[in-house]
Amino acid sequence: RKEVEQDPGPFNVPEGATVAFNCTYSNSASQSFFWYRQDCRKEPKLLMSVYSSGNEDGRFTAQLNRASQYISLLIRDSKLSDSATYLCVVKTSGTYKYIFGTGTRLKVLA
Amino acid sequence: NAGVTQTPKFRVLKTGQSMTLLCAQDMNHEYMYWYRQDPGMGLRLIHYSVGEGTTAKGEVPDGYNVSRLKKQNFLLGLESAAPSQTSVYFCASQPSQNYNQPQHFGDGTRLSIL
Repeated sequence: RKEVEQDPGPFNVPEGATVAFNCTYSNSASQSFFWYRQDCRKEPKLLMSVYSSGNEDGRFTAQLNRASQYISLLIRDSKLSDSATYLCVVKTSGTYKYIFGTGTRLKVLA
Repeated sequence: NAGVTQTPKFRVLKTGQSMTLLCAQDMNHEYMYWYRQDPGMGLRLIHYSVGEGTTAKGEVPDGYNVSRLKKQNFLLGLESAAPSQTSVYFCASQPSQNYNQPQHFGDGTRLSIL
């Protein structure tokens, strides 16, 4: 089992739709969680950190479920510019290593 | 602000050639990382450094060497390039080991080994 798993997609959604991605992780000692966005042939860029109580940044909402060991990303009112690959990143306490999921590809259609 | 800068951006090598990739950060970050990204594999950690003069192996270190002689620079070397090392290489840095610190990435080096 991979340490961090994501549905590769692609998720094809119309503009204005709401879309959600999940990411599961296997190590219960994982402590830090992030969502990154990666555009084609570009570097990953931090979208948002994920906090225990959940957090929101504009149209984006991140949630953490420690009991079931997954994090989620909800995007409301999708824009064409949201088309990208979304990477889930998990860091375990006491290590220097960040574990990346393979990403979920989102295509927002006009 | 430059952030994390990688050089070169692109390179084509022949099998057996050597080269060094440079990562420079101007944010005074302690931790630096080298990853490779291949289709369907996600980012995999090659080597990392937790401070000047220190390096450690990541998930896929074979065929690579690194050095961190100065805090701001992290070099990745390929002594004898192989076609399996064709990939996109990303460098990242992080300010400290504090809880919930994200990584900052350079814009990548596309390396092809023929």
